[in-house]
Formats: sequence, C-alpha cells, structure tokens
Amino acid sequence: ETGVTQSPTHLIKTRGQQVTLRCSSQSGHNTVSWYQQALGQGPQFIFQYYREEENGRGNFPPRFSGLQFPNYSSELNVNALELDDSALYLCASSLGGRAYNEQFFGPGTRLTVL
Amino acid sequence: AQRVTQPEKLLSVFKGAPVELKCNYSYSGSPELFWYVQYSRQRLQLLLRHISRESIKGFTADLNKGETSFHLKKPFAQEEDSAMYYCALSGMGGSQGNLIFGKGTKLSVKP
Repeated sequence: ETGVTQSPTHLIKTRGQQVTLRCSSQSGHNTVSWYQQALGQGPQFIFQYYREEENGRGNFPPRFSGLQFPNYSSELNVNALELDDSALYLCASSLGGRAYNEQFFGPGTRLTVL
Repeated sequence: AQRVTQPEKLLSVFKGAPVELKCNYSYSGSPELFWYVQYSRQRLQLLLRHISRESIKGFTADLNKGETSFHLKKPFAQEEDSAMYYCALSGMGGSQGNLIFGKGTKLSVKP
C-alpha cells in the first residue's frame, strides 16, 4: 500500500508568481483535503476534493484553487503569491469525504515566498 | 465560530508521570473531536477520535460537552510519547469534511 506523496518537497517563489503543488493519494482513497500550516500554527483547511468535485472550502481567497484527477491525485494552485502564503502545505487523503473517515497526511511541501 | 484552543504550547513531564493535554472547543452543534500526533520527522497521524471511544498507546480522551473540552490523558508518560499533539474538530458529528485544528501542544517526556 502506497502512502500519500507530495511534490515538490520545498520551493521558493517570489511575490506575484504562481505555484502548483501536487499530491498523490493513498491507494484506494477517493478524497483529498488540503491544509496550510503556518509556522507555530495548526493546519488550516483550504479545501477538499471528493471524486473530482470540490466538497467544501475554508476561508481562503479564490486565488487558491484546486483540481482532482480521475486517479484521485490532486493539485493545489496559488496565484499572485503573497508573503503570507509562506507555509507548509499538507494534503491528506481518505476514503470518503467526511471528517470521521480517517485522513492520512503527506509529508508536506514547504513554500517560501520572497 | 468554530474554534479549537490548546492553551499550552509546551508541556514537559518526567517519565512515569501522568499527562493531560488540554483542548477546549467552540461549536454550537454536535462536534466530532480528534487528537492527531506528529512524532519527530514523521507525518501527522490520527491518534484517536471521540466516536471510537478507544484507548490508543495508553491515551484516552473524554468529550465533556458541558465544559466543551476534549482533554487527552495518559496515566504514565513514556519517553516515546514526546511529540506534537493537535486537537481537531469537525462539525455536524464528523459529517463535514474539514478538520479545524488547534495550534498544538508539544509534549516533552524527560527520562
């Protein structure tokens, strides 16, 4: 059984640029949730994709967008990067879109915006 | 507003001592509560959830709706319990997909 993988591990961008982060879900899972974790904070929910459809969104602006593919892998896109977007981005996969379906987290992508 | 508060950033205890990691929540409906743990150089993972009413690695947590708390307890701490612990909430009994996390408490168990 393959766990959740994320790429890249870390990257550095400048303000105003765009970035795409990728997540491969655990085998058999159909749901991917994305979280932003700023330094010293807990993860904050960005959005969730269930069977290729957005299934809930947190308090993030529209420049945060996502996609889920037929194999249930997912992308997180962030446009017009701001300094405050610097954070660890976590994805989590699960079988089902409810919180009581255990979410399995990836190692995260560390984004630094200069 | 839905919110999870973990009042302690750091909790340091000696091996064999009891541990209580505090978690308070704000939610007007029926919440589902979870504890997630992150050991050094490992991923965030589920430790336990209220709905299962189970004990994992000697840890238990009781949901107190009157005090809106979900404290994590262990009677005798072990060095391998040292980790970052996050309390999380999901609304509507867990039927919502998103988790709301607290800021976390770092537990350090000294030998």
